[in-house]
Amino acid sequence: AQSVTQLGSHVSVSEGALVLLRCNYSSSVPPYLFWYVQYPNQGLQLLLKYTSAATLVKGINGFEAEFKKSETSFHLTKPSAHMSDAAEYFCAVSHTGGGNKLTFGTGTQLKVEL
Amino acid sequence: DAMVIQNPRYQVTQFGKPVTLSCSQTLNHNVMYWYQQKSSQAPKLLFHYYDKDFNNEADTPDNFQSRRPNTSFCFLDIRSPGLGDAAMYLCATSASGTGGLEQFFGPGTRLTVL
Repeated sequence: AQSVTQLGSHVSVSEGALVLLRCNYSSSVPPYLFWYVQYPNQGLQLLLKYTSAATLVKGINGFEAEFKKSETSFHLTKPSAHMSDAAEYFCAVSHTGGGNKLTFGTGTQLKVEL
Repeated sequence: DAMVIQNPRYQVTQFGKPVTLSCSQTLNHNVMYWYQQKSSQAPKLLFHYYDKDFNNEADTPDNFQSRRPNTSFCFLDIRSPGLGDAAMYLCATSASGTGGLEQFFGPGTRLTVL
């Protein structure tokens, strides 16, 4: 079974500092991996996804993630945090079976401080 | 813009009183999903439709039902809401394919059970 683990349920950074949100996956086959962001009382929005085309994936709002097979990781980074980045971030893995189902990690709440 | 729409955004119901949440999409996607998300938790898949084929998750309570009368619309029926069913309900869609396809989420309906 495929799964993802997000280390750190809460991360706090200063505005302008590096953002690093951790995600490790478990999969017996090459995975499809996603990062979604959720602002309060809203749905989820896709930040970026890995589908084996390139190991370094660039997404929206200045975020990127690097797929590292040797470390089974897909960590999300942004060089300089902005106040508007404060939100909940979910890593997810797509099932290779029918229905394109996602299994989400438990989420990381990002707080950005002045 | 193509999108996923959920109505209402906020729904209040009484304990045991049936409630229906609706979702519509203009993306013309084959697959539609319903998730339940409780506070500070990851979305939990309840079921999904692949075209008209209904796929229930093994741990979804019988209290939750769904209908998909056509490609554009999907409904979530909660037959006898309990206090534990208070949550955000998210609808999502995706195209059909072999994997790596993103899901597009609606803004969610927040259900309160009194």
